[in-house]
Amino acid sequence: EDQVTQSPEALRLQEGESSSLNCSYTVSGLRGLFWYRQDPGKGPEFLFTLYSAGEEKEKERLKATLTKKESFLHITAPKPEDSATYLCAVQFGSGYNKLIFGAGTRLAVHP
Amino acid sequence: NAGVTQTPKFRILKIGQSMTLQCTQDMNHNYMYWYRQDPGMGLKLIYYSVGAGITDKGEVPNGYNVSRSTTEDFPLRLELAAPSQTSVYFCASSYAETQYFGPGTRLLVL
Repeated sequence: EDQVTQSPEALRLQEGESSSLNCSYTVSGLRGLFWYRQDPGKGPEFLFTLYSAGEEKEKERLKATLTKKESFLHITAPKPEDSATYLCAVQFGSGYNKLIFGAGTRLAVHP
Repeated sequence: NAGVTQTPKFRILKIGQSMTLQCTQDMNHNYMYWYRQDPGMGLKLIYYSVGAGITDKGEVPNGYNVSRSTTEDFPLRLELAAPSQTSVYFCASSYAETQYFGPGTRLLVL
């Protein structure tokens, strides 16, 4: 069965304490893996797209990496404003741009 | 450039009532999508459209209908609302792979 699993469900960090969020997937024919940030009461905001194993993308304190089975979102020296839910989604197979989403990781960064 | 806009932001419906959730995008994207998001669950695709006049079912289409008469608009119709349709609904659009989301409509069915 095609699925996306994110871990942990929730993560509490102190400001400056680096960590990683995991997104594992079981799909055939991966076309792309997407990371989104979602603030409470708002829609998901696009962060990164990764297309092939070994690829890395960075934006400020965030770095996303991809292997054949999973992706990591590394957060370096986080700040309270990084607190949000981080969603992972995968696109696979042929045809339209279907995404399967994970349930997300709720990140709380405390000062 | 407003991106993807959705109305209303919040609505309470009684069981059996109907309503239309509005979605408009000003990015001239061909692809548009409707998702629902339930607590602790990933977003689930309800319907999608690859262009004006073309729509198809997603993962959870039962109880919903859509139409796409223009590139900009993609309304979602709920007929005979049920408590199971209590959720947050997101509309998205894309030119290629990357989807851009609206702010969502929170719907409560009582």
